[in-house]
Amino acid sequence: DSGVTQTPKHLITATGQRVTLRCSPRSGDLSVYWYQQSLDQGLQFLIQYYNGEERAKGNILERFSAQQFPDLHSELNLSSLELGDSALYFCASSVDPGDQPQHFGDGTRLSIL
Amino acid sequence: GENVEQHPSTLSVQEGDSAVIKCTYSDSASNYFPWYKQELGKRPQLIIDIRSNVGEKKDQRIAVTLNKTAKHFSLHITETQPEDSAVYFCAASGSGSSNTGKLIFGQGTTLQVKP
Repeated sequence: DSGVTQTPKHLITATGQRVTLRCSPRSGDLSVYWYQQSLDQGLQFLIQYYNGEERAKGNILERFSAQQFPDLHSELNLSSLELGDSALYFCASSVDPGDQPQHFGDGTRLSIL
Repeated sequence: GENVEQHPSTLSVQEGDSAVIKCTYSDSASNYFPWYKQELGKRPQLIIDIRSNVGEKKDQRIAVTLNKTAKHFSLHITETQPEDSAVYFCAASGSGSSNTGKLIFGQGTTLQVKP
C-alpha cells in the first residue's frame, strides 16, 4: 500500500460525458502529479500541483482540468470524453516537488464506450 | 523537449540469464532516474533509482548504471526468475528545489522470463 488513494477504481461512461477522478495523497505529501497511461502512449505526465497551486503542465488536453484543494486532495476533470481518452489514470504524490521518489496510487481505469 | 528513449521494447530471456534494458534521456538537467516494474493493470512499482551523483547502484539481483556524459542509464537484472516477467519503465526527472519533479517515462520494455 503506497498511501495514495484513488477513486473510483473503474469508471465506464460514454462519449461526450464528463467525469471526475479523485486522488488523496500520502499523509504529509504536498505535491500531487497526474499521469495518463494509454495503450499506445505509455505513461505520460499530465499536470502537477503543489500546496494548492499548479506547478507544472505536460501534454494535458484543454478538455482536461485539475485542481488541488485545501485538504490537499486533487481532482482531475475530463470533459467531452472521446474514445481515445480510455486509459489508466495514475496519481502520485511526494512531500514537495524536489522530493523523490514519488508514490503512485492504484489508478483509475476509465473506459469510454 | 524532454524525451526518454527506451530499448528494447520486448525482451525474452531464459530463467537464470541476465536482462539489460537501456534508456537515453535528452534533458541534461535531469538528475534523478527511477526504474519501475508494472504488472498488468497495476500501479508502477519502484524497483531501484539512481541520482546523478552516483554512477552505479545495486540491490540484490538488480543494478542500475548511469553515464551522465552520454545521457544514458541501464537496468541490469541477473539470475532472472519467471516472477520478473512484467513491463519495466525507466524515467528521468529533476529533483531538488529548482525542479518540478515530474517524471518523463520511456516507452516501456516487456520482459518475458521463460522457465
